[in-house]
Amino acid sequence: EVQLLESGGGLVQPGGSLRLSCAASGFTFSSYAMSWVRQAPGKGLEWVSAISGSGGSTYYADSVKGRFTISRDNSKNTLYLQMNSLRAEDTAVYYCAKSPLLGYCSSTSCSIWFDYWGQGTLVTVSS
Amino acid sequence: DIQMTQSPSSLSASVGDRVTITCRASQGISNYLAWYQQKPGKVPKLLIYAASTLQSGVPSRFSGSGSGTDFTLTISSLQPEDVATYYCQKYNSAPFTFGPGTKVDIK
Repeated sequence: EVQLLESGGGLVQPGGSLRLSCAASGFTFSSYAMSWVRQAPGKGLEWVSAISGSGGSTYYADSVKGRFTISRDNSKNTLYLQMNSLRAEDTAVYYCAKSPLLGYCSSTSCSIWFDYWGQGTLVTVSS
Repeated sequence: DIQMTQSPSSLSASVGDRVTITCRASQGISNYLAWYQQKPGKVPKLLIYAASTLQSGVPSRFSGSGSGTDFTLTISSLQPEDVATYYCQKYNSAPFTFGPGTKVDIK
């Protein structure tokens, strides 16, 4: 059974940093592209970042480019999101999401949708 | 970047009704479209990918169609457990933009 368990959320001041983790199990982690998707309170879904199975290719939404870094440790079956220079508008539930094998991310292109989602971790940016 | 819109933003229908939600892309995306269901307080769930392919385990009353810029999600006979917000998502290339959502409830 696929399981994705996020951790690391919490309250942080504007300009601060936070690192989210997503522990994966139930599938061959290194074979699948992974993403972070967020949802601000009462709002819709926003894709944040994606990473290829090998970790060699990464993609970001314009809203977080230069501030957030996605990475993965395939030996630990764990996905990460390092969030720096946080802003109030980054307040959201952050979901870890797995892409199916049919999806792919390479150095030149990425085409992914999301077949499994974690329960999410809440990040609140406020003074 | 390609923008995604959905209509209506909300709807109310009776049990057993046929419900149709529309998703439109600002540029052609072939059939690189997925649909998700998010029930209140729950995690999003994949319903359909490749515009019309039903994800395993999803009831057959859900169906998708379309290609290019215009897509539809149809619930053939609305059930009480279908109360949710439905999102489309394009995935031809990054950014993988979601539509704003359509909230469906029971009349």
